[in-house]
Amino acid sequence: AQSVAQPEDQVNVAEGNPLTVKCTYSVSGNPYLFWYVQYPNRGLQFLLKYITGDNLVKGSYGFEAEFNKSQTSFHLKKPSALVSDSALYFCAVRDYSSASKIIFGSGTRLSIRP
Amino acid sequence: DTAVSQTPKYLVTQMGNDKSIKCEQNLGHDTMYWYKQDSKKFLKIMFSYNNKELIINETVPNRFSPKSPDKAHLNLHINSLELGDSAVYFCASSQDMPGELFFGEGSRLTVL
Repeated sequence: AQSVAQPEDQVNVAEGNPLTVKCTYSVSGNPYLFWYVQYPNRGLQFLLKYITGDNLVKGSYGFEAEFNKSQTSFHLKKPSALVSDSALYFCAVRDYSSASKIIFGSGTRLSIRP
Repeated sequence: DTAVSQTPKYLVTQMGNDKSIKCEQNLGHDTMYWYKQDSKKFLKIMFSYNNKELIINETVPNRFSPKSPDKAHLNLHINSLELGDSAVYFCASSQDMPGELFFGEGSRLTVL
């Protein structure tokens, strides 16, 4: 079965510093990978996706993610964190057993201190 | 103009009652979903419809019944509500399979 793991429940970063939110995946075949963000009391918002091509994917709000096949990772990054980036971040993967199913990780709470 | 809208936003009810949550999308997408987010923020897919046809039906109690009258609407009816049904239910839609999911704002269900 396809799955993603987010090893950190919480990541704390000072404003202006680079941030990384980790995600590893387990799939059979080529992975379709996604990152979503959830602000308090809101629905999830799509940030970026990797289907094929360049390993560095750029997305919304200055975020990017690096696909690493050898390490089966898809970490989310941003060069300079903003307080407004504080939110819950979800990594997700397409389930090959059902083309429509996207499976989400457990989420990582990102906290940016001023 | 809201892309994916859910009603009601909040729902408080007693155990044993029946309730419905409605979802509408104006994006012209073919596929719609229901996800459940529990108190630990874990998201689990429940159902998916493509052009009014049920294509994903996860291991969900049969007290939960989705209905899609047309491809722009996906409603969720829950019978005999239990305490464990308390959660936030998210509707979502997508055009590609799979592609970017567009989520509604969620419907917070509290069962007392």
